Amino acid sequence: AQTVTQSQPEMSVQEAETVTLSCTYDTSESDYYLFWYKQPPSRQMILVIRQEAYKQQNATENRFSVNFQKAAKSFSLKISDSQLGDAAMYFCAYRSARGDMRFGAGTRLTVKP
Amino acid sequence: DAGVTQSPTHLIKTRGQHVTLRCSPISGHKSVSWYQQVLGQGPQFIFQYYEKEERGRGNFPDRFSARQFPNYSSELNVNALLLGDSALYLCASSFIISTEAFFGQGTRLTVV
Repeated sequence: AQTVTQSQPEMSVQEAETVTLSCTYDTSESDYYLFWYKQPPSRQMILVIRQEAYKQQNATENRFSVNFQKAAKSFSLKISDSQLGDAAMYFCAYRSARGDMRFGAGTRLTVKP
Repeated sequence: DAGVTQSPTHLIKTRGQHVTLRCSPISGHKSVSWYQQVLGQGPQFIFQYYEKEERGRGNFPDRFSARQFPNYSSELNVNALLLGDSALYLCASSFIISTEAFFGQGTRLTVV
């Protein structure tokens, strides 16, 4: 079974600075998707960024970018120019070609003004 | 366009009772999946439906069941509720089975 590991339960960043959240996963599949979701206190899961495993180019969405290392099974999220609104729980997720999605335990990000 | 909608938003049930949670996917999305999120943890996969057929099931007891209707909406049913079933239940829809999933606001179930 696929597992997703987020080794940082909590992270803190100063406003306007850059922070990187770590994620590793374990799979024997070659075709899959990886995602980062943000969950604010409202508990609504919001898609931040996606990465297809077959793409070598790292995904970027405005201030959010990923470092996808397929051989190392690593998928980190970099948030640049951090804003107060970025404070939330961040979940790394693996989705197989069959469709089932596995989440990590999450990283709580605090943004200090 | 409306996002994924779930109902009810909150509910309180007694141990042993039955509960039905409902989900309407984004228009055009044919896949619906269900997740259980206990406070302080990541969501756990329960079911995956695509074109009205079950395509995946997580490690949950048979008390949990689901179905998808011709209009692609879905229901999650839980029988013989236990205190440990108290959680946020999330529904997500996607266009096809493996692409990005968009989540509803969740149903917060409390079992007393």
